[in-house]
Amino acid sequence: AQSVAQPEDQVNVAEGNPLTVKCTYSVSGNPYLFWYVQYPNRGLQFLLKYITGDNLVKGSYGFEAEFNKSQTSFHLKKPSALVSDSALYFCAVRDGSGGGADGLTFGKGTHLIIQP
Amino acid sequence: ETGVTQSPTHLIKTRGQQVTLRCSSQSGHNTVSWYQQALGQGPQFIFQYYREEENGRGNFPPRFSGLQFPNYSSELNVNALELDDSALYLCASSPSPGEPYEQYFGPGTRLTVT
Repeated sequence: AQSVAQPEDQVNVAEGNPLTVKCTYSVSGNPYLFWYVQYPNRGLQFLLKYITGDNLVKGSYGFEAEFNKSQTSFHLKKPSALVSDSALYFCAVRDGSGGGADGLTFGKGTHLIIQP
Repeated sequence: ETGVTQSPTHLIKTRGQQVTLRCSSQSGHNTVSWYQQALGQGPQFIFQYYREEENGRGNFPPRFSGLQFPNYSSELNVNALELDDSALYLCASSPSPGEPYEQYFGPGTRLTVT
């Protein structure tokens, strides 16, 4: 079975400061890792993914994430936060050896609040 | 390119009734997955359809069933509704089930069971 933990329900950051949203995962095979963002009353928007290769992946809106195999982590980062980044962020994992049929397993989400 | 669309936007049903939710996949995508997102939780995988067949299933009872049509659109059917079925139901499409493609989500259908 696969699982995702997002240890922080909420992260507060001042505008212009760097931000980090934490994610750890558990999967038996090779991890395919994803970050999604959800705005109120909206579906999920894809930000970035790690499949293989470089541990630092870059995505939409200036976000990036660092894959750390030894710590089974995939933290989301941004060098300079914007008020418009305020939203609900989800980390998700899929077992790369599972053929895709088991869907994505999501964390419970982290509310990111950027203060002006 | 048309994104993933879902209908209806909102729905109110009574316990014991049946409901059908609909999803149109993004152009060029042949795989559709359904998720249930309860209030304050992350989405939970219900099942996936590929080539009109169920291709994988999460931990949901058989009263949750689905269909996929030749144009890759899909339906989620829930029988004997329970109060705990109240949630946002999300549909996601992707080009293929086996490749590490990201899934593209629709806006969801908010189901309230009273």
